[in-house]
Amino acid sequence: EAGVAQSPRYKIIEKRQSVAFWCNPISGHATLYWYQQILGQGPKLLIQFQNNGVVDDSQLPKDRFSAERLKGVDSTLKIQPAKLEDSAVYLCASSRRTGLAYNEQFFGPGTRLTVL
Amino acid sequence: QKEVEQNSGPLSVPEGAIASLNCTYSDRGSQSFFWYRQYSGKSPELIMSIYSNGDKEDGRFTAQLNKASQYVSLLIRDSQPSDSATYLCAVTDGNQFYFGTGTSLTVIP
Repeated sequence: EAGVAQSPRYKIIEKRQSVAFWCNPISGHATLYWYQQILGQGPKLLIQFQNNGVVDDSQLPKDRFSAERLKGVDSTLKIQPAKLEDSAVYLCASSRRTGLAYNEQFFGPGTRLTVL
Repeated sequence: QKEVEQNSGPLSVPEGAIASLNCTYSDRGSQSFFWYRQYSGKSPELIMSIYSNGDKEDGRFTAQLNKASQYVSLLIRDSQPSDSATYLCAVTDGNQFYFGTGTSLTVIP
């Protein structure tokens, strides 16, 4: 079974530029998560999708971040314009579906973003 | 605010010893509990899941859950240098996942 795929793996941009990340979840997984992880901290949820609907985006900085999962499979996360404090690893994860008691979550390799 | 707390460490143990990692959580509605291992520069890897009170063993790893005390732990027996990593505790109420900040473990050869 293929794991969660993400691209690119690394990205360096200057502040005020835009950037987009792509994620393809494990086949059959209805729930997709985007996390931001800053060095030394645990993952922070940015947005959670169930199929193509948003379950939780309460911590997504909506003035600069946007995400979509139009067909309920792969997803993109965009930052526009980027700030220095956006430098972090962006992790995508997936699980079978929200609301399950035994709902294991699996992570992709992540995208390391550096904003100069 | 639902919280998951871990000692940040670093925790150092000699090779062959038992490493004990602890985690407490605030939400009594939590249903499932997970331990992830994260090597430096890598993404979190799921190593243990536990859903009911008691112990669950998988190879050298044992997860322990006490819902009354809102406490979950991970024991690593016969620790190896390859176990050196940050261990993240995660808790879910079935809808959202909540992560601790991780405990850094170093196994000294």
